[in-house]
Amino acid sequence: SAVISQKPSRDICQRGTSLTIQCQVDSQVTMMFWYRQQPGQSLTLIATANQGSEATYESGFVIDKFPISRPNLTFSTLTVSNMSPEDSSIYLCSVGWGEETQYFGPGTRLLVL
Amino acid sequence: KQEVTQIPAALSVPEGENLVLNCSFTDSAIYNLQWFRQDPGKGLTSLLLIQSSQREQTSGRLNASLDKSSGRSTLYIAASQPGDSATYLCAAGSGSARQLTFGSGTQLTVLP
Repeated sequence: SAVISQKPSRDICQRGTSLTIQCQVDSQVTMMFWYRQQPGQSLTLIATANQGSEATYESGFVIDKFPISRPNLTFSTLTVSNMSPEDSSIYLCSVGWGEETQYFGPGTRLLVL
Repeated sequence: KQEVTQIPAALSVPEGENLVLNCSFTDSAIYNLQWFRQDPGKGLTSLLLIQSSQREQTSGRLNASLDKSSGRSTLYIAASQPGDSATYLCAAGSGSARQLTFGSGTQLTVLP
């Protein structure tokens, strides 16, 4: 299993600004992922954070809007850039080891005014 | 592109009933199928993981089955309790990184 923390837990931001979300894991993990959960909806994968290389983005998500860093095997950041009210969501990171269970962080609740 | 559907979207049952939640997926080339629970304002809790080579997994009052050929999974909850009230999500794992594709969830309410 893994213990995952995210910072901040919640934030209220003004449109046009950017927010960086941190994800810290208590052990080294192979896979790290970032998901978005819009109000009343299920989770959608944004990207796979690759250690030492660029993230792999899903259709509909681009690096300019959601730049991701993964400097080591226990830490990753997701930035939500040039925010608009449509970016108001819960952002979750998850970790996994190949075909094992994925574990999720508690999420970052973002409200953009 | 994998699509995951969950039926019903919402379910309300009296305490003590046995119930079944359904999940279907369009691409049978999955590595695993995972069931999660999400409580309001909280993150996801993993309930059961079924590998593609397995048919079912059990944990306490929960039993999940997987039929890859038909693209279906079910979550069976025995003797439901009010504490089981939550949104239940299924997710299909596929791709080289085992990315998860989530269904829209079933919101379960167990009435005392």
